[in-house]
Amino acid sequence: KAGVTQTPRYLIKTRGQQVTLSCSPISGHRSVSWYQQTPGQGLQFLFEYFSETQRNKGNFPGRFSGRQFSNSRSEMNVSTLELGDSALYLCASSRTGRASGANVLTFGAGSRLTVL
Amino acid sequence: GENVEQHPSTLSVQEGDSAVIKCTYSDSASNYFPWYKQELGKRPQLIIDIRSNVGEKKDQRIAVTLNKTAKHFSLHITETQPEDSAVYFCAAPANQAGTALIFGKGTTLSVSS
Repeated sequence: KAGVTQTPRYLIKTRGQQVTLSCSPISGHRSVSWYQQTPGQGLQFLFEYFSETQRNKGNFPGRFSGRQFSNSRSEMNVSTLELGDSALYLCASSRTGRASGANVLTFGAGSRLTVL
Repeated sequence: GENVEQHPSTLSVQEGDSAVIKCTYSDSASNYFPWYKQELGKRPQLIIDIRSNVGEKKDQRIAVTLNKTAKHFSLHITETQPEDSAVYFCAAPANQAGTALIFGKGTTLSVSS
């Protein structure tokens, strides 16, 4: 069974550009959530999608957006990149839409974004 | 919303010693508390979790305890080994309506042989 797949794995952008990251969840998983990981702030929740609907959103500016498609694949977009957006962006999928021991979050390997 | 505090930020132990990492949460409605381990350059992986109707859960050398009244939970690792060296994150649900988790800032555990 394939795991959570994130593309691209590494990318370098310059300030002001935009970036789109992709996440393919485990087959059969309908919930996808995104996290930003930085050395100083740890894992910070960005947003969560379930059945193409955004269910929760973290405390990030409007430059960060996302969407989910009918096949549960998800994309996140960051516009007008800033130096502080350099981070590892992790996607996690789960089978249902509720946090519980029977519904574990499984993470992808992440997309490492560097903004110059 | 939920807030999770984690201590200590770094922890160094000798092989064979025990290690304890503590977390507090703010939302008394939270009912699920997972712990994730992230080895260098790898993705976070769930190592153990506990639900609010249970006070303690064990899995071999790892155990988690929960005190709902005080709103804190702890990870206990006994007989530590070098391969336990990693960053450990505790978490709690952002709310009761989804799968989003709020993570503590992590504890870097170093086990020296």
